[in-house]
Amino acid sequence: AQSVTQLGSHVSVSEGALVLLRCNYSSSVPPYLFWYVQYPNQGLQLLLKYTSAATLVKGINGFEAEFKKSETSFHLTKPSAHMSDAAEYFCAVSAQAGTALIFGKGTTLSVSS
Amino acid sequence: DAGVTQSPTHLIKTRGQHVTLRCSPISGHKSVSWYQQVLGQGPQFIFQYYEKEERGRGNFPDRFSARQFPNYSSELNVNALLLGDSALYLCASSWNTGEGYGYTFGSGTRLTVV
Repeated sequence: AQSVTQLGSHVSVSEGALVLLRCNYSSSVPPYLFWYVQYPNQGLQLLLKYTSAATLVKGINGFEAEFKKSETSFHLTKPSAHMSDAAEYFCAVSAQAGTALIFGKGTTLSVSS
Repeated sequence: DAGVTQSPTHLIKTRGQHVTLRCSPISGHKSVSWYQQVLGQGPQFIFQYYEKEERGRGNFPDRFSARQFPNYSSELNVNALLLGDSALYLCASSWNTGEGYGYTFGSGTRLTVV
């Protein structure tokens, strides 16, 4: 069975600082991995996805993530945080293409000026 | 192109009542899935439909049911509502991008059971 663990329910950074949101997955097969962002009272917006084409994945708004099979990790990073990055971030996994997404519990990112 | 549309956006129901939530996928997308997001938690998978057939079901009681129509829109039905059913219900449509599948979510229906 697939599962996702997001380490740290709340991360706080200063504007301009590095953002690092951690995600570890468990999957019996090569996984498809996703990062989504959710702003208050809104749905989920895709930041990026890993589908085995490249281990370093670049997404929208300056975010990127690196797939590390040996560490079963897919951490999300952004070199310089912006106030508008404050939101809830979810890591998700699916075992097979087109099947259900299994989400982590989410990490709230706060950005201070 | 229009994204995934869900209706209604907000809903208040009384315990024991029935509710129907609706979702229209992105044009051309044949797969729709439903998720429940309780406040402070990640979304939980409820159902997936492809070409009107159920392709997957999460760990939810039989009070939850869904269907997909010939135009690929979908309904989620919940009977005998409980207070614990209060949540944001998200619909996603998915498609084969050629490099795996993409999933686009609607803005959700906020259900409050009182």
